[in-house]
Amino acid sequence: KAGVTQTPRYLIKTRGQQVTLSCSPISGHRSVSWYQQTPGQGLQFLFEYFSETQRNKGNFPGRFSGRQFSNSRSEMNVSTLELGDSALYLCASTFRTGNTEAFFGQGTRLTVV
Amino acid sequence: KQEVTQIPAALSVPEGENLVLNCSFTDSAIYNLQWFRQDPGKGLTSLLLIQSSQREQTSGRLNASLDKSSGRSTLYIAASQPGDSATYLCAAISYNTDKLIFGTGTRLQVFP
Repeated sequence: KAGVTQTPRYLIKTRGQQVTLSCSPISGHRSVSWYQQTPGQGLQFLFEYFSETQRNKGNFPGRFSGRQFSNSRSEMNVSTLELGDSALYLCASTFRTGNTEAFFGQGTRLTVV
Repeated sequence: KQEVTQIPAALSVPEGENLVLNCSFTDSAIYNLQWFRQDPGKGLTSLLLIQSSQREQTSGRLNASLDKSSGRSTLYIAASQPGDSATYLCAAISYNTDKLIFGTGTRLQVFP
């Protein structure tokens, strides 16, 4: 079966712009989590969505937001981009929340110039 | 607050060696611990998931153990190959945080 699909794979944006990233989880999985990966901070949790509801949120500013649709696909939005937002953004798909195996997509590489 | 530490940060070994990668966590109230592999610029590939009630899991040349009482997990790689070269990450999900907390990873290089 298909894995976790993230689009686009690469993005270059200018400071001040906004960006939307997309994640399609494994079929049947209802939970999607988003992570930011940078060389300095490693993998940091952004938020988790389950059944279209945000159930957990990391320590990121309000410029970072997300949503989940009825088909479990999720989008993440970053407004007013800053240079420090340059990172690899990864989404993880799990069957449900908590005690299940997480599967990751290939990520979206965002570069802010 | 859950903190996850991985030692060593980097490892370079000749092909054929057996390896042990270490992962420590501070909060023992975990649902499970998961090991991942990441190739440069790519996403994470799940290697092994150990439930909190389990002591170890095996997949091919990989074996992961879990000791909740000491807050430690180890990933054992048998007969390493150049294709094993990657960064290995462990992540714990605990009852208190209900999200994966990642270690900083061990960057492994296996040379022929």
